[in-house]
Amino acid sequence: GAVVSQHPSRVICKSGTSVKIECRSLDFQATTMFWYRQFPKQSLMLMATSNEGSKATYEQGVEKDKFLINHASLTLSTLTVTSAHPEDSSFYICSTPGGPLSLNTEAFFGQGTRLTVV
Amino acid sequence: KQEVTQIPAALSVPEGENLVLNCSFTDSAIYNLQWFRQDPGKGLTSLLLIQSSQREQTSGRLNASLDKSSGRSTLYIAASQPGDSATYLCAVTSAAGNKLTFGGGTRVLVKP
Repeated sequence: GAVVSQHPSRVICKSGTSVKIECRSLDFQATTMFWYRQFPKQSLMLMATSNEGSKATYEQGVEKDKFLINHASLTLSTLTVTSAHPEDSSFYICSTPGGPLSLNTEAFFGQGTRLTVV
Repeated sequence: KQEVTQIPAALSVPEGENLVLNCSFTDSAIYNLQWFRQDPGKGLTSLLLIQSSQREQTSGRLNASLDKSSGRSTLYIAASQPGDSATYLCAVTSAAGNKLTFGGGTRVLVKP
């Protein structure tokens, strides 16, 4: 199956700083990348959808200026949490479909990033 | 808007007992449904993928059924083991918007 490499797996940063999370598709071209966040003991909530070479589509309530998404190549998508605050502490995880969504392919996930803002 | 619900939210069983996890969704216009396993602090591991045209999928001790018309899926885990302890998430890919919507998960504890 497809492999998605996400790093860092854990990061602790000071309030007000920015943190970049990377997701790389290792053995296929990921034209679409979904970014989720997960609060403790809660499910995954979709934040945004990025497509290679175009602007990301953000879900309602997600601040696009705070969560910057870049998908400049077919193998790399990044999420930057800008001016992080303690309430941004969460588990962030990326996902990409293994093929065109209309062809019923399964989704593959990165390992996730645990962000703690102190 | 698609909504996915998982019942129960938590489940504790003795080793060897069969597990039954339920997932329901409100919009039957789906491409597929996936079951995932998540260990604490870790990412997601895909367990089973059921296409919208299929009624069930099996992998080892795992069996998942899909009744699209009623908006339900059930994950069966036979002869549970302590290593099965984890959170199990179901997610549907909706035809509208091509998005994956997750249920709240079921936290499973299998006691030795």
